[in-house]
Amino acid sequence: DAGVIQSPRHEVTEMGQEVTLRCKPISGHNSLFWYRQTMMRGLELLIYFNNNVPIDDSGMPEDRFSAKMPNASFSTLKIQPSEPRDSAVYFCASSLRQGAVRDTQYFGPGTRLTVL
Amino acid sequence: KQEVTQIPAALSVPEGENLVLNCSFTDSAIYNLQWFRQDPGKGLTSLLLIQSSQREQTSGRLNASLDKSSGRSTLYIAASQPGDSATYLCAVSSTDSWGKFQFGAGTQVVVTP
Repeated sequence: DAGVIQSPRHEVTEMGQEVTLRCKPISGHNSLFWYRQTMMRGLELLIYFNNNVPIDDSGMPEDRFSAKMPNASFSTLKIQPSEPRDSAVYFCASSLRQGAVRDTQYFGPGTRLTVL
Repeated sequence: KQEVTQIPAALSVPEGENLVLNCSFTDSAIYNLQWFRQDPGKGLTSLLLIQSSQREQTSGRLNASLDKSSGRSTLYIAASQPGDSATYLCAVSSTDSWGKFQFGAGTQVVVTP
């Protein structure tokens, strides 16, 4: 298996521009998570989906952030408009949840976002 | 709200010494606990997953224990090697959530040759 795939790996953009990050979870996994990691705040959960449905988006910092999961094999995290404080590494992770059993989370390599 | 703390924030040991990494959490109603490793500029790699009904898990030189009543987990790495140098994070999944993990800030480990 290829693991969790994220694109792009690096993104440099200017303040005010729209940024779209992409994630392909591991085939067969039904839960998907978006995290943000910074030196100051560590690893923060932004939003997670179960069977393509957003379950908890309380970690999304503000309305400039949105996430979608149109099907089981693809998710996007969009920032519009972007700001310098959004600079961070964004990780996508997936796992398999079967009833009450939750499996381990597998992380992608991350997207390093720099907003100038 | 669950809070996860890892102390110390950084640790340096000579090669061959055993490593002991600590993780504490405030709410004992957990579903499971997971230890991850993160190398610089890379994603997280799962090391061990302990279910709430378990007291420990082992994989090779790694052993993780869980004491829910005291809100603690410990990761032991035997006979450390320079390749063990990384940041180690623990994450706790609470029973009232759908599998989301609350992460600690991590312990940065350096194993010197």
